[in-house]
Amino acid sequence: GAGVSQSPRYKVAKRGQDVALRCDPISGHVSLFWYQQALGQGPEFLTYFQNEAQLDKSGLPSDRFFAERPEGSVSTLKIQRTQQEDSAVYLCASTGLGNYEQYFGPGTRLTVT
Amino acid sequence: LAKTTQPISMDSYEGQEVNITCSHNNIATNDYITWYQQFPSQGPRFIIQGYKTKVTNEVASLFIPADRKSSTLSLPRVSLSDTAVYYCLVYSGAGSYQLTFGKGTKLSVIP
Repeated sequence: GAGVSQSPRYKVAKRGQDVALRCDPISGHVSLFWYQQALGQGPEFLTYFQNEAQLDKSGLPSDRFFAERPEGSVSTLKIQRTQQEDSAVYLCASTGLGNYEQYFGPGTRLTVT
Repeated sequence: LAKTTQPISMDSYEGQEVNITCSHNNIATNDYITWYQQFPSQGPRFIIQGYKTKVTNEVASLFIPADRKSSTLSLPRVSLSDTAVYYCLVYSGAGSYQLTFGKGTKLSVIP
């Protein structure tokens, strides 16, 4: 079946604009994760959903970042009033319940100018 | 979460076996050692996971000594397509199941 997909693959935003990044997890995967990856660094955890419940949002860097997964499948990461330091690749991963292997999407590269 | 330390970069010729060692001195009893691979412009991909001794799959082997304070990822007969960043992670499997990545080891395979 299809893997994790993310859209758009590339996004350029002017500072101050709001952006929305979409993640389509593997069908049936209960858990969904968002990570942020700066250039030359490893991914850093942002937030975690189990079905529609956001169980951990400890990695969100500021209250400008908001994530949702209203029906327990597709998730959206929203960044309000983007800043240059938000420029990064945003990765989404999903996994089945009780499974430790996370399946990552290709990421969305966000550039804030 | 236990911190991991691994070399920043490694070079290898095609056809050689590559061993990447990772230290995780503060690993907890319930922690597992997990390795992911990441190619440019792609998300990380799971390679292998182990708790102790040796684990082997079709891609790699993972060696974990008895004290579990380190682990070695072994890639047999690497090819150019194995050029990637390899991340060693300690996975607790508790709480939110988040993965904590370090900077990884950039492996360059030379023809």
